[in-house]
Formats: sequence, structure tokens, C-alpha cells
Amino acid sequence: SQTIHQWPATLVQPVGSPLSLECTVEGTSNPNLYWYRQAAGRGLQLLFYSVGIGQISSEVPQNLSASRPQDRQFILSSKKLLLSDSGFYLCAWSLVGSAFFGQGTRLTVV
Amino acid sequence: AQSVTQLGSHVSVSEGALVLLRCNYSSSVPPYLFWYVQYPNQGLQLLLKYTSAATLVKGINGFEAEFKKSETSFHLTKPSAHMSDAAEYFCAVSEPQGGSEKLVFGKGTKLTVNP
Repeated sequence: SQTIHQWPATLVQPVGSPLSLECTVEGTSNPNLYWYRQAAGRGLQLLFYSVGIGQISSEVPQNLSASRPQDRQFILSSKKLLLSDSGFYLCAWSLVGSAFFGQGTRLTVV
Repeated sequence: AQSVTQLGSHVSVSEGALVLLRCNYSSSVPPYLFWYVQYPNQGLQLLLKYTSAATLVKGINGFEAEFKKSETSFHLTKPSAHMSDAAEYFCAVSEPQGGSEKLVFGKGTKLTVNP
């Protein structure tokens, strides 16, 4: 069966520091991969999605970037974090329809 | 581009009462529609999905939703609320027939169940 791993679960980083969140999927090939950010009262904001290796679509301009170096690996990065980057980040995969989510990373920028 | 509107950011019901969470969508092609549930500090779990087959869709935990094209709606219902249903619920839409499996979510509805 398919599983998705996302880490770390929580992260506290100072302003201006770099960020790397990793997500891997097992048990499927060539999935669509997504990064979402969730802020209170704002629902889930789609940040990036990828339909294949090296193919990244950015939904909103921001301080973040994403990469997909392998078929089942999706990385969210920042060179310099801002306070406004704080939030709950969710990775998800889909293959013809439903999306399945990781457990999320709670990022606090201080 | 597809979009979703969830009416009511907070809904409160008594245990045993009907649960009705509203979702309206906008899509230029036949959509796929989903309901997800999220418990605190966790990821999202799929409750049910509509993918152009039967318009009344049954999901887990006794939830169901009905696709109504004329109303562009996909409301989530459960006949009798249970305390364990307290969570946040998200409606989502994608357009795979339009070449986009990008999943777009509503802002969510927080369900409170009172004893």
C-alpha cells in the first residue's frame, strides 16, 4: 500500500535561516505531488505541485521554492525564512483523483 | 480555474443531530469533488469523493454527500452527529477532465458537537 512520509513534525527556526522540508512517497510511481500551507481561518493554500521529476508549478509568489529530485521525493526550501512563513505545511500525493496527505510540519519562525 | 466556497466557518450541532456542511464549487469542466476531515495537528483524511459516477456518495464514518450540478453544490451530511465527529472539514475540487489534477480546497468548516 502507499504511504507518505513527511518530516520533521515540528520545527522552530530563526528569521533569516534556511529551510528544508522533505516528503517521500512509497508504494506508487509517478504520483502528482503537492505542498500546501495551512494558516488559521485561511484553509489550505496550494504552494507548489509537481507532475513529474524536475517539473514544478508555483501557485503563489513567495519566499519558498520546491524541488523534485526523484520521482517520489518532494522538497520545500527557503534560503531565508521570514516571520510570515510560519504555519502548518502539508505534503500530499495523488494519482488520478484523490489526494493523500502526510502528517504535516508545524513551522514556527522566531 | 476551479474554486470552492464553504459556507460557514463554524458549525455547532448537538450530539445526535443532523450534520450539514455546505460546499459550492466553480468549475469549467465536469469536476471531481472531495471532502476531507482534519483532526488537530494532523494531516487530512479523505472522507469521500465524487468522480462522475453516482451523484450520492457514501463515505467513511457515516458521512455522505450529494453532487447537484444544477446548484453547483456538494454538501456533506450525517444523520446523527457523534462527539468524535468534532473536527475541521474541507471541501475540494479538481478538474482531471480539463487536464488538471490540481486539488483546490475551501477554507474549511470547523464542526463542534455539543453533548
